[in-house]
Amino acid sequence: QQKVQQSPESLSVPEGGMASLNCTSSDRNFQYFWWYRQHSGEGPKALMSIFSDGDKKEGRFTAHLNKASLHVSLHIRDSQPSDSALYFCAASEHNNYAQGLTFGLGTRVSVFP
Amino acid sequence: ETAVFQTPNYHVTQVGNEVSFNCKQTLGHDTMYWYKQDSKKLLKIMFSYNNKQLIVNETVPRRFSPQSSDKAHLNLRIKSVEPEDSAVYLCASSEQGNYAEQFFGPGTRLTVL
Repeated sequence: QQKVQQSPESLSVPEGGMASLNCTSSDRNFQYFWWYRQHSGEGPKALMSIFSDGDKKEGRFTAHLNKASLHVSLHIRDSQPSDSALYFCAASEHNNYAQGLTFGLGTRVSVFP
Repeated sequence: ETAVFQTPNYHVTQVGNEVSFNCKQTLGHDTMYWYKQDSKKLLKIMFSYNNKQLIVNETVPRRFSPQSSDKAHLNLRIKSVEPEDSAVYLCASSEQGNYAEQFFGPGTRLTVL
């Protein structure tokens, strides 16, 4: 079973709309969470990190973390065609960053005009 | 330009051959990683290298080996490729610490015939 699970698998959003992505971890050792975005033919690029309970907002992107339930979400406001990409949730353990990140399977977001 | 660079972009080879991929980062980071991204887009950590310490994911076959000349370079060698090695190999780097973001290169796509 994947230690980091994402839903939905894919998402279609109208331009200007809101996209909501979910991520749940089954491993309580994970304490640090990231959202990465990967456009076709490119490597993943970090969008946001979140390490504390609550919301974190950066521009059109808002992440939410609930450590008790190990649930992380990402909301994209005013979606643009350039937001069409594969979005990954990734997690790491405390003082174990050198083990690398554990990624979910991703959510494919398509923004249509 | 500061970034993570990978060569080649693509490589096609036959079963049993040896291949080597290069990765260089100009971000001044202390830790480098290799990830494998399979056809379903799942990203899995293969190796990390930090201050001459190598951490190996136990699931990685022994035909894979990382090679580092200095902290800015971490190459990947595959001794005798097999069809299941067909994937995109992504190199990343980060500073040390729990909060460090990982920066990814564009990847090398390997096709094994």
